[in-house]
Amino acid sequence: KAGVTQTPRYLIKTRGQQVTLSCSPISGHRSVSWYQQTPGQGLQFLFEYFSETQRNKGNFPGRFSGRQFSNSRSEMNVSTLELGDSALYLCASSSSGSLSTDTQYFGPGTRLTVL
Amino acid sequence: AQKITQTQPGMFVQEKEAVTLDCTYDTSDPSYGLFWYKQPSSGEMIFLIYQGSYDQQNATEGRYSLNFQKARKSANLVISASQLGDSAMYFCAMRELNTGFQKLVFGTGTRLLVSP
Repeated sequence: KAGVTQTPRYLIKTRGQQVTLSCSPISGHRSVSWYQQTPGQGLQFLFEYFSETQRNKGNFPGRFSGRQFSNSRSEMNVSTLELGDSALYLCASSSSGSLSTDTQYFGPGTRLTVL
Repeated sequence: AQKITQTQPGMFVQEKEAVTLDCTYDTSDPSYGLFWYKQPSSGEMIFLIYQGSYDQQNATEGRYSLNFQKARKSANLVISASQLGDSAMYFCAMRELNTGFQKLVFGTGTRLLVSP
């Protein structure tokens, strides 16, 4: 089975712009979660989607949003980029999403740099 | 609130030796899962091992084992027979199972360096 894929792998934007990141989960996985990783704050949970519905959200401003499509692929969007949004954005998928013991498998991440 | 603490910013070990990476946790949920992930410099988080709070035995996966001490709220990762390829960041993470959500809370990580 192919793993979690994320595109693009690297992105450079300027302040004020917006960006969309994409994540394709492992085939058959229906839950997709997003995390932000920075040197200062570490790994922080952004949101989780299951069956096209956001069912959990971390403590991030409304500039961060996401969605999930019927094929379980997910996108996250960051509007009005700030320098502090520079980070590695990781997507993770898990199988049913109904079992809390499901293991999350991560993609390679998208490294966003905001200038 | 759930919290994961990894007190070792960096660890050094020689090839073929065993190493223990520490992880302590705090949660008010009696039902939780503990995970360890490895993150090489490429950035991808690689799942290593899982331990459930009600599991009677310590988890093992190949060269990885988890020393789970529930009363002490610790879940240390033991890597036996270290290899050069084990050099990476290691993260301990926890999920509170009663929420039904997939959210993981991570520790700050331990950077492991394996020397020849």
